[in-house]
Amino acid sequence: QQQVKQSPQSLIVQKGGISIINCAYENTAFDYFPWYQQFPGKGPALLIAIRPDVSEKKEGRFTISFNKSAKQFSLHIMDSQPGDSATYFCAASIRGNTPLVFGKGTRLSVIA
Amino acid sequence: DGGITQSPKYLFRKEGQNVTLSCEQNLNHDAMYWYRQDPGQGLRLIYYSQIVNDFQKGDIAEGYSVSREKKESFPLTVTSAQKNPTAFYLCASSRWDRDYEQYFGPGTRLTVT
Repeated sequence: QQQVKQSPQSLIVQKGGISIINCAYENTAFDYFPWYQQFPGKGPALLIAIRPDVSEKKEGRFTISFNKSAKQFSLHIMDSQPGDSATYFCAASIRGNTPLVFGKGTRLSVIA
Repeated sequence: DGGITQSPKYLFRKEGQNVTLSCEQNLNHDAMYWYRQDPGQGLRLIYYSQIVNDFQKGDIAEGYSVSREKKESFPLTVTSAQKNPTAFYLCASSRWDRDYEQYFGPGTRLTVT
C-alpha cells in the first residue's frame, strides 16, 4: 500500500525528443506527488510537484500528468537536452502526516 | 544563504568503528530525514524526526541511531552493527504541514573497509 512503482528503470532519448517517466501508487490517501532530479554525486533536487486536485502541472519543459482514477502520474520532459541526463525519482506522501515514499528511480540519458 | 549542509562530503572508516554524519539546516523546517542510497536501490528512509526530541524509525533503521536535540541539527550515527554501511547518505528537511516540500542536502559518501 505504501509503494510507488516507477518505470522504466532507464531511458535513452534523442536530443529534442520527449522523455516520459511513469509512476503508479496504491494508497489513495496520498495527496502530494513530487518529482526529483539527481545528478551523480549530488543530492536530489525538487523539480516539480502536483496535488490531486489538478490533472496537469507545467513548469517550463517539465510537465506532470496526474490520473487519479488510475492512480498514476507521469513526468514529461519536452525538447529533452543532454543537460537533462540525470536520475529522476517520483514520490508520494500524505502531506503533514507521512514521509515521502520514493520510486526506485529512472536513469535518463539524452543523446545528441 | 539558506539550505541544508552535510559534512563531510567523503568519509572513510575502518570496520567496527562507529561514525557520525552531520546534518544542519537553516530553513526553519520542523521535520528532518535521513536516507541511504545504494546503486539501483533508490532512496531508503532510515530515520525521520517531526519535532525536537522525537524521531521515528524508517524502513532500514537497524544499525543506525539519531538524535534531535536542536531544531537545526539531526546527526546520524552509523554503528558497528550496520552490516553494509558503505553508501551515499542523504539528509533532508521539510515543513510538516499542508505546505510540505522536502529539500535534500548534498550528501555524504561513507566508505567502510
